[in-house]
Amino acid sequence: DVKVTQSSRYLVKRTGEKVFLECVQDMDHENMFWYRQDPGLGLRLIYFSYDVKMKEKGDIPEGYSVSREKKERFSLILESASTNQTSMYLCASLSWASGPGELFFGEGSRLTVL
Amino acid sequence: AQSVTQPDIHITVSEGASLELRCNYSYGATPYLFWYVQSPGQGLQLLLKYFSGDTLVQGIKGFEAEFKRSQSSFNLRKPSVHWSDAAEYFCAVAMFGNEKLTFGTGTRLTIIP
Repeated sequence: DVKVTQSSRYLVKRTGEKVFLECVQDMDHENMFWYRQDPGLGLRLIYFSYDVKMKEKGDIPEGYSVSREKKERFSLILESASTNQTSMYLCASLSWASGPGELFFGEGSRLTVL
Repeated sequence: AQSVTQPDIHITVSEGASLELRCNYSYGATPYLFWYVQSPGQGLQLLLKYFSGDTLVQGIKGFEAEFKRSQSSFNLRKPSVHWSDAAEYFCAVAMFGNEKLTFGTGTRLTIIP
């Protein structure tokens, strides 16, 4: 069974802290994504990566960075957390084996910044 | 600009009743179209997808969706809902050659006995 694992389901951090959200997939997918989910706004793309060490900005990259040192792992970094980054963060990986767009999602990491 | 619209924020239906969730898109060409479901506390799961061909597509859990080019719509339907269908539903689109999906804002479905 395919799997995308996000290391932390719930995190509480303080303003100004550096936050790491980790995501691992076991499907050998090239493409990985970080989305942010907020009520009424749906899912918004923060960053994505189409290969190791490659990354592209999504729609809302400000305040975030990413790291992809290994194919299976894609990390989202909040350099200095702020209260407006309180949200649900979803990691996904993409398979083109059965056509475009079949994203496989992790269960999400709910971050609260105090 | 490209966009995906789900006009219904919240829908409530009785168990056993039929369901239709609306999705409209605004793109220069026909995009690839998807419906995802998110159960409480879970990530998203693909219900069905449309790339080309037959405009009525079948998905998992008894769901189907119909692509209507003239209306730029891709509405999700189910003949008879079950309590376990209570979830949030997202429509998404992608263009050929572009791995990025654009999601709608979601429709929350509540099922009443």
